[in-house]
Amino acid sequence: DTTVKQNPRYKLARVGKPVNLICSQTMNHDTMYWYQKKPNQAPKLLLFYYDKILNREADTFEKFQSSRPNNSFCSLYIGSAGLEYSAMYLCASSRGGDNYAEQFFGPGTRLTVL
Amino acid sequence: GDSVTQTEGPVTVSESESLIINCTYSATSIAYPNLFWYVRYPGEGLQLLLKVITAGQKGSSRGFEATYNKETTSFHLQKASVQESDSAVYYCALGETSGSWQLIFGSGTQLTVMP
Repeated sequence: DTTVKQNPRYKLARVGKPVNLICSQTMNHDTMYWYQKKPNQAPKLLLFYYDKILNREADTFEKFQSSRPNNSFCSLYIGSAGLEYSAMYLCASSRGGDNYAEQFFGPGTRLTVL
Repeated sequence: GDSVTQTEGPVTVSESESLIINCTYSATSIAYPNLFWYVRYPGEGLQLLLKVITAGQKGSSRGFEATYNKETTSFHLQKASVQESDSAVYYCALGETSGSWQLIFGSGTQLTVMP
């Protein structure tokens, strides 16, 4: 099974409220990623876990948090949603540390903040 | 910085016509860039179409080809005869290995193939 699952597929949130998105994979991949995708823009890496080590991009450091309770699951947490968080959030996983690794993507969660 | 620039969409072609989607990259901090084309079909997640990790080599999949040209820093996607089922969004991406595998994407090219 090479699928990456994301829940929910669609999320509606109010400004100022928290948002928690879930991702899972059963490929035993050691690296899991979260990207943000806005219309007509490239997917932008927000953070990734290599095993239990979290790496967050400098410009999104304070806006997003994540947890990885086990190898299969990874969450993306927004403490207080703003309008600018409306986007598609893509989760991906890879074996990592391998020159030939490829990232496997989930279908995405479309977040709309009102 | 590191970046990817690709043909702006949308691109519309007729079935059986040839296709080229341009992609150029800048890899100022990556010693040995690896190049990818990802595709997103309607209703599905991004999936890898092809990859090339060595300059001068060509990758191919599903009738698509792309050659890693280090001199021109390009990785254009080509297909001799497109089909309606090729309608999708195509993303060129640049990768590196530095403890983990990070991808830098272009903004995507929406392709519509008319029957």
